[in-house]
Amino acid sequence: KQEVTQIPAALSVPEGENLVLNCSFTDSAIYNLQWFRQDPGKGLTSLLLIQSSQREQTSGRLNASLDKSSGRSTLYIAASQPGDSATYLCAAMYNYGQNFVFGPGTRLSVLP
Amino acid sequence: EPEVTQTPSHQVTQMGQEVILRCVPISNHLYFYWYRQILGQKVEFLVSFYNNEISEKSEIFDDQFSVERPDGSNFTLKIRSTKLEDSAMYFCASKAGQYTEAFFGQGTRLTVV
Repeated sequence: KQEVTQIPAALSVPEGENLVLNCSFTDSAIYNLQWFRQDPGKGLTSLLLIQSSQREQTSGRLNASLDKSSGRSTLYIAASQPGDSATYLCAAMYNYGQNFVFGPGTRLSVLP
Repeated sequence: EPEVTQTPSHQVTQMGQEVILRCVPISNHLYFYWYRQILGQKVEFLVSFYNNEISEKSEIFDDQFSVERPDGSNFTLKIRSTKLEDSAMYFCASKAGQYTEAFFGQGTRLTVV
């Protein structure tokens, strides 16, 4: 059974720090992995999509990497801001399915 | 910017009642999904829909659930006889291609009392 895990479960950092969120997935047969942001009680906002053939994707202060062989993806946030406070979810799409398998999320608090 | 729109944002219903959750996917998208998130838990897949038929469904998506694309724009999820455990946030998502970026709506919070 495919499973996606994320560590840490929660993270609190002072404003301006660079930080890394981790996502691990079982079974390297993924087509792609997508990172989302979720504000409390709200929907999922897409941040980055990495295809299995890619190793990195960048958008502004965000950089996501993918290592299929080790079953890991990281989301790097540079120069964090209080507005970055949210829960960050990773979701893996596997070759033989059409749906995402979501991780439990990392709850990020950036303190002013 | 195009977005996935869901209505209503919050619905309260009595146990045993039927509910229909509505979604308007992004207009040129071809793949449609429903997911749900019980409070404090992971986002879970319910069903995927392509070419006017269900392409995959999870164990959660039993006979009480159905989906429909009644016209060219709406995508609905029906729960025939709601249970207390159906209380959750329900998300609709759409994609242009099978392996392209997924866009999610803001969700419908369903409360079954």
